[in-house]
Amino acid sequence: NAGVTQTPKFQVLKTGQSMTLQCAQDMNHEYMSWYRQDPGMGLRLIHYSVGAGITDQGEVPNGYNVSRSTTEDFPLRLLSAAPSQTSVYFCASSYSITHPVEPQHFGDGTRLSIL
Amino acid sequence: QQQVKQSPQSLIVQKGGISIINCAYENTAFDYFPWYQQFPGKGPALLIAIRPDVSEKKEGRFTISFNKSAKQFSLHIMDSQPGDSATYFCAAGQTGANNLFFGTGTRLTVIP
Repeated sequence: NAGVTQTPKFQVLKTGQSMTLQCAQDMNHEYMSWYRQDPGMGLRLIHYSVGAGITDQGEVPNGYNVSRSTTEDFPLRLLSAAPSQTSVYFCASSYSITHPVEPQHFGDGTRLSIL
Repeated sequence: QQQVKQSPQSLIVQKGGISIINCAYENTAFDYFPWYQQFPGKGPALLIAIRPDVSEKKEGRFTISFNKSAKQFSLHIMDSQPGDSATYFCAAGQTGANNLFFGTGTRLTVIP
């Protein structure tokens, strides 16, 4: 049982490039989410999904795109990378969509630098 | 605007001492208050959580104290150990909502 797996662990991009951060969970969780963690800011919700085919925006969605074709996978796409998107990105999942944040299981993050 | 304010930013405690981290919130609709522990290179992991119907919750050496009227809650780590050295985040959310609002984190260092 791997939990929440994020790939890659590290990535360096140039401004304007696009890329996809992968997230997979093997716990059959319906709810999945993406956060970014910045120094002095805590974690902020980017996008979330309550099931396959259903996604919605969080607190800071601009510049990011998501899709959910299966229960297991929830990729995050950076459309045109900007230096302001340099951050650590965390994917999380939880079992219940009626109490989706109680609790959340986090992956180990993707550290992204944009030059 | 930070929904949850956390202090201190960093904390150094001697082994065996008590570590105290404080958080405050404004939104009275919040009814779920978890604390997450994060080690370097890892994701946050749920440590303990409380709801407003109780004023205190204890799990081993970790205790949450909750003051509903003051809109404040705190984490107390008794008999702090070097293995407790980590970053701690408080958070607040509303039952059924899709978002948790996190504090800015407290980096705890426990000196042997």
